[in-house]
Amino acid sequence: GAVVSQHPSWVICKSGTSVKIECRSLDFQATTMFWYRQFPKQSLMLMATSNEGSKATYEQGVEKDKFLINHASLTLSTLTVTSAHPEDSSFYICSASGTSGGAYQETQYFGPGTRLLVL
Amino acid sequence: GQNIDQPTEMTATEGAIVQINCTYQTSGFNGLFWYQQHAGEAPTFLSYNVLDGLEEKGRFSSFLSRSKGYSYLLLKELQMKDSASYLCAPQIKAAGNKLTFGGGTRVLVKP
Repeated sequence: GAVVSQHPSWVICKSGTSVKIECRSLDFQATTMFWYRQFPKQSLMLMATSNEGSKATYEQGVEKDKFLINHASLTLSTLTVTSAHPEDSSFYICSASGTSGGAYQETQYFGPGTRLLVL
Repeated sequence: GQNIDQPTEMTATEGAIVQINCTYQTSGFNGLFWYQQHAGEAPTFLSYNVLDGLEEKGRFSSFLSRSKGYSYLLLKELQMKDSASYLCAPQIKAAGNKLTFGGGTRVLVKP
């Protein structure tokens, strides 16, 4: 139980385009989803926290107009990187926590991540 | 703010035991997670400690002392596949249960 999927697993795009990444909880209802970014050999950096049906809470220094987060249902959250630039190239990972299904309450279960390369 | 301290790297031999220490200073502490992250992959959940004491789960055990702001992850009977980074992550209750990650400890298991 407690499986989280992400799509796509990797994406290459041109500078200036927008990229949407989906995060789904497959066997539990995710009341909260988190989005992280990780640069090579660095630690995970939390970008934002989203609760189903409400606006995301962004960490300091993360531009909410550039990284659009939507958490429309208890099983799906999306991150859209708008007008992507080469410096946005990174490993984007979502996690989800919930209280049903095979999930332990309050535990964050991570998706497999999405590698973004902006040319 | 949050401050997490764990060793950067550790090397051990296959079949041995390794203990990864983690000290933290954080406000609104709720519990502490340990995750394993292989290179190029996302973290996977290992353990969660809320109360003081030792939690054992197969070859992995995790210990917490809330008063000392200290935790450790114990890996027994090391296998080559245990070569990975191990992330200590305190959870902050007041901030929607968000986690703070340190740099992690890279464990290299040698034959």
